[in-house]
Amino acid sequence: SYVLTQPPSVSVAPGQTARITCGGNNIGSKSVHWYQQKPGQAPVLVVYDDSDRPSGIPERFSGSNSGNTATLTISRVEAGDEADYYCQVWDSSSDRVVFGGGTKLTVL
Amino acid sequence: EVQLVESGGGLVQPGGSLRLSCAASGFTFSSYEMNWVRQAPGKGLEWVSYISSSGSTIYYADSVKGRFTISRDNAKNSLYLQMNSLRAEDTAVYYCARGGDWNEVDPWGQGTLVTVSS
Repeated sequence: SYVLTQPPSVSVAPGQTARITCGGNNIGSKSVHWYQQKPGQAPVLVVYDDSDRPSGIPERFSGSNSGNTATLTISRVEAGDEADYYCQVWDSSSDRVVFGGGTKLTVL
Repeated sequence: EVQLVESGGGLVQPGGSLRLSCAASGFTFSSYEMNWVRQAPGKGLEWVSYISSSGSTIYYADSVKGRFTISRDNAKNSLYLQMNSLRAEDTAVYYCARGGDWNEVDPWGQGTLVTVSS
């Protein structure tokens, strides 16, 4: 089955840029989606189809996808960005939704 | 406004059954694929099941296949998850979520907690 690998944690100072990676075999050929989940809340889609943003999501959130790694980039990080972030793809070979293990973003 | 509201969670003994419901509003329910996703306490997201807009195509995670059944009633704008032979490891918050054009999962309901314990 298809596996997505994320770092367990990323730390960044306010105002800096956070980059959260999502590794998978030839993930560049798939459409990658990213979710933000704050404690006690349901996940919220922040990037879909590699690099598009849903309405209402700040331009500070962006995504890229190539080769074996997809990346969520959060520019000018704010305290309110502190959350768990998950990447997700559809694995057509097994007809499964696949989530990465999640990355806890800490704003120092 | 798109809304998904889950219900039916609670405490159940191992081996027992539970039926979750998800009431949808604010969009044309019959036009969208739907998913159930769960999250065990302190753990990450785990996809559980998918159903196509008509209900003709259904997929399950290996961890629930043969025990859980997803279904929908488009006339009632409702999604269901029948859970049988429940195990302790099924303890989680269960979310219903709409499927998107690129197989993203959005939006999500607020979730309903299922606890399997004796």
